[in-house]
Amino acid sequence: SDELTQPPAVSVSPGQTATITCSGSRLGERFVCWFQQKPGQSPVLVIYRDSERPSGIPERFSGSISGNTATLTISGTQAMDEADYYCQAWDSSAEVFGGGTKLTVL
Amino acid sequence: EVRLVESGGNLVKPGGSLRLSCAVSGFNFHYAWMTWVRQAPGKRLEWVGRIKSKSDGATTDYAAPVRGRFTISRDDSKSTVFLQMNSLKTEDTGVYYCSPAGDYVSWADYWGQGTLVTVSS
Repeated sequence: SDELTQPPAVSVSPGQTATITCSGSRLGERFVCWFQQKPGQSPVLVIYRDSERPSGIPERFSGSISGNTATLTISGTQAMDEADYYCQAWDSSAEVFGGGTKLTVL
Repeated sequence: EVRLVESGGNLVKPGGSLRLSCAVSGFNFHYAWMTWVRQAPGKRLEWVGRIKSKSDGATTDYAAPVRGRFTISRDDSKSTVFLQMNSLKTEDTGVYYCSPAGDYVSWADYWGQGTLVTVSS
């Protein structure tokens, strides 16, 4: 089956760098997006096309991909970044989401 | 301002049908691929299906759990995408969201509020 694997949870101290990975087969052949979802809210796009950042998203959010692993990096993590993060991969025939990662800012 | 407004969610019995709508404003809808995503209570995001633009053939793709039961269509004159759901199962319960897809995903940074579908006897 076509699955994307994310760590269920990541913890980070305020001001430190948070790294969330997403791995899956053929990931390098597809485009990856990252979505942020806070409790009770709808998802927000934070990264698209592997590493592009929408205009309203802070520069501390960045994305990268190497082989079959995509990475979302949040530099100088703030308390407001505490949320669930989902990777999504798409190509011309389908889309798929990862299982989500709960980011806790301790 | 981009707006995505989903509607049509309701309580329905297993085996029943429901049609969801997603009205779009703020971008050139007729160019965009549009996708439906759902989220069961307390669970992860799950891709449901997608429709490409008419210039790309308006072809549709579906996730395995809904293939053969759900149908996505679009009305470019009304900037609206639809999700026809038949033979509903309890596991179809959740909030359903629409958004631009593929190369057009960045046309809506923020999704709408979604519409709640509850399948229960």
